[in-house]
Amino acid sequence: DAGVIQSPRHEVTEMGQEVTLRCKPISGHNSLFWYRQTMMRGLELLIYFNNNVPIDDSGMPEDRFSAKMPNASFSTLKIQPSEPRDSAVYFCASSFLGVFSGNTIYFGEGSWLTVV
Amino acid sequence: AQSVTQPDIHITVSEGASLELRCNYSYGATPYLFWYVQSPGQGLQLLLKYFSGDTLVQGIKGFEAEFKRSQSSFNLRKPSVHWSDAAEYFCAVGGTTGNQFYFGTGTSLTVIP
Repeated sequence: DAGVIQSPRHEVTEMGQEVTLRCKPISGHNSLFWYRQTMMRGLELLIYFNNNVPIDDSGMPEDRFSAKMPNASFSTLKIQPSEPRDSAVYFCASSFLGVFSGNTIYFGEGSWLTVV
Repeated sequence: AQSVTQPDIHITVSEGASLELRCNYSYGATPYLFWYVQSPGQGLQLLLKYFSGDTLVQGIKGFEAEFKRSQSSFNLRKPSVHWSDAAEYFCAVGGTTGNQFYFGTGTSLTVIP
């Protein structure tokens, strides 16, 4: 079975450019998470969708970040304009029914972003 | 407040030795507990999970973990470590009323020959 699929795997971009990260969750899952991982802050939840609706975006660092989930099989995380401090690994993860029911979160391989 | 503590930032063990990684959690009700492993350049892979029932759970790659409610702990163990086990290990807790995972800060495991 295909897991969570993320693209691009690696991206290097210049400061000020727009970055779009993409995610395809596991088929049948109805919850999707975007995480950011850095050495300094570890794993941070940026935003969580349930049934394509954003439920909790309190972790989105600022207005430069936006996330969408137009349908059950696709989500994007956009950074515009990008800054060097946005350099991190961005993980997409999905789950069925959400954590509250005890179901497991499955992670993608991550998108490694470097902003120069 | 919900939280997860992994007190050991880095552990070094010899290949073939036993391993125990510590995890303590703070949660007001019965938690759902997880261990994930992250190899360099990779995503997080689920090792094992505890939802209910037997407090000793078996996972992949020969790992096991024991839930101890009295100690609020969910320590990960392996009787004999292999060089390929070198990775970052994350403990996580999820509850029944929220939709968030709470991750520990991770323990980095080095395996020496």
